[in-house]
Amino acid sequence: TQLLEQSPQFLSIQEGENLTVYCNSSSVFSSLQWYRQEPGEGPVLLVTVVTGGEVKKLKRLTFQFGDARKDSSLHITAAQPGDTGLYLCAGSKSTGNQFYFGTGTSLTVIP
Amino acid sequence: NAGVTQTPKFQVLKTGQSMTLQCAQDMNHEYMSWYRQDPGMGLRLIHYSVGAGITDQGEVPNGYNVSRSTTEDFPLRLLSAAPSQTSVYFCASSYYSRRRSYGYTFGSGTRLTVV
Repeated sequence: TQLLEQSPQFLSIQEGENLTVYCNSSSVFSSLQWYRQEPGEGPVLLVTVVTGGEVKKLKRLTFQFGDARKDSSLHITAAQPGDTGLYLCAGSKSTGNQFYFGTGTSLTVIP
Repeated sequence: NAGVTQTPKFQVLKTGQSMTLQCAQDMNHEYMSWYRQDPGMGLRLIHYSVGAGITDQGEVPNGYNVSRSTTEDFPLRLLSAAPSQTSVYFCASSYYSRRRSYGYTFGSGTRLTVV
C-alpha cells in the first residue's frame, strides 16, 4: 500500500493548457517535496513545503501544501514541451527519517 | 560538478552472483539513501544513513547490505542476486539537521538486470 497516492497517473495535454497534479495521503507529513524526473536520469528537486497551507511558486509552477499537511498539489500554467517528465511527490513524517515517494504522474506536453 | 556519482550505470548479473553498487557525494551531506524504482511502484527506500557509522533499514531491505565508513561513500551490496532485484537503483543525499532531511540530490542511477 502506497503511503502517498498521486493522480492522475498519466496525463497528455497540448502545449499552452493548464494542469493540476495531486498528491494525497491519510498520514500527516512534516514536509513534502516535489521532484521531476526525465528518462534515464535521477529525480530533480523542484520545491519543499513545510507549513500547512503554504503556497510556493516557481515560474509557471505553483505548489500548495494542504492545511492539514496530508496532501499537496502541483499546478502548471501554460504547459510547455519542456515540462514533459515524471512528477513525484515525497513526504517525510516528523517521527522518522524516511522519505516516502508517491508512484508519480507521467506528463506529456504535445507541441 | 558537485553531486552524487553512481557506478556502474548498467550491470547484468547472473542469479546468485554478488556485487556492490557504488555511491559517492562531494557535498558533505550527512544523509544518504538507496532507492529502487520499479514500474508502477515508484521509488522505494532500501537503506539509509544519517551519518558515518549509522545505517538503518527502509521499506525493502531484504537481500541488500550497506555500510557507511565515511561521509562521502555509501555502497550498496547485493548478497546473492535474484531476478526480483532487477530494477533501477538510485542513490540520494541531503543535508540533515534536527532529525530532518532536506531536499535530495539524486545520482543518475544504476540499471541492474538479473538473469
